[in-house]
Amino acid sequence: DAMVIQNPRYQVTQFGKPVTLSCSQTLNHNVMYWYQQKSSQAPKLLFHYYDKDFNNEADTPDNFQSRRPNTSFCFLDIRSPGLGDAAMYLCATSRMSAGANVLTFGAGSRLTVL
Amino acid sequence: AQTVTQSQPEMSVQEAETVTLSCTYDTSESDYYLFWYKQPPSRQMILVIRQEAYKQQNATENRFSVNFQKAAKSFSLKISDSQLGDAAMYFCAYERGADGLTFGKGTHLIIQP
Repeated sequence: DAMVIQNPRYQVTQFGKPVTLSCSQTLNHNVMYWYQQKSSQAPKLLFHYYDKDFNNEADTPDNFQSRRPNTSFCFLDIRSPGLGDAAMYLCATSRMSAGANVLTFGAGSRLTVL
Repeated sequence: AQTVTQSQPEMSVQEAETVTLSCTYDTSESDYYLFWYKQPPSRQMILVIRQEAYKQQNATENRFSVNFQKAAKSFSLKISDSQLGDAAMYFCAYERGADGLTFGKGTHLIIQP
């Protein structure tokens, strides 16, 4: 089945130790998004790729970076995780065309920072 | 900037009954899309229903329907014949084109057997 796969599902890291989360998709969607979702809060968009074009949200900290080496994969790098970065990270994809931009989500990667 | 407000952190309903989840939003745009997404515990977020702002007719998907009031900027979700599998967090969202979605804080729906 075509889908959005996130790895790992659970990641534990130490304060300041870099971490990378991955997202892959078999939907051939041209847009990929990374959202941060803290407990009991709305998902917050960090950035997205429209094809190869990177779009950073204005309030996304520099600590968060992303790479999209090809259409299928997108990575979220957290260079120096702090305690406040503990959250669920959601990857989503969409095929941007005329009409509604419907997002397909992965199951998320839950990050714990010790 | 667009904002989405869900004023009900938690709702509870008896199985087989009907429940309505509220959502209001703020935008200066005239053409846009609105969505309701469902996020079951430890599972991925999935689309429940969507509404095009230029359509006056309310969207329906089986037991799920919306009450879209464009002038009031209100977009509520009605779930009929509630089932245990409907228990989840429900997020109202406003589409920002290719810039993705702006979400509300969510409503935790509890289904009482």
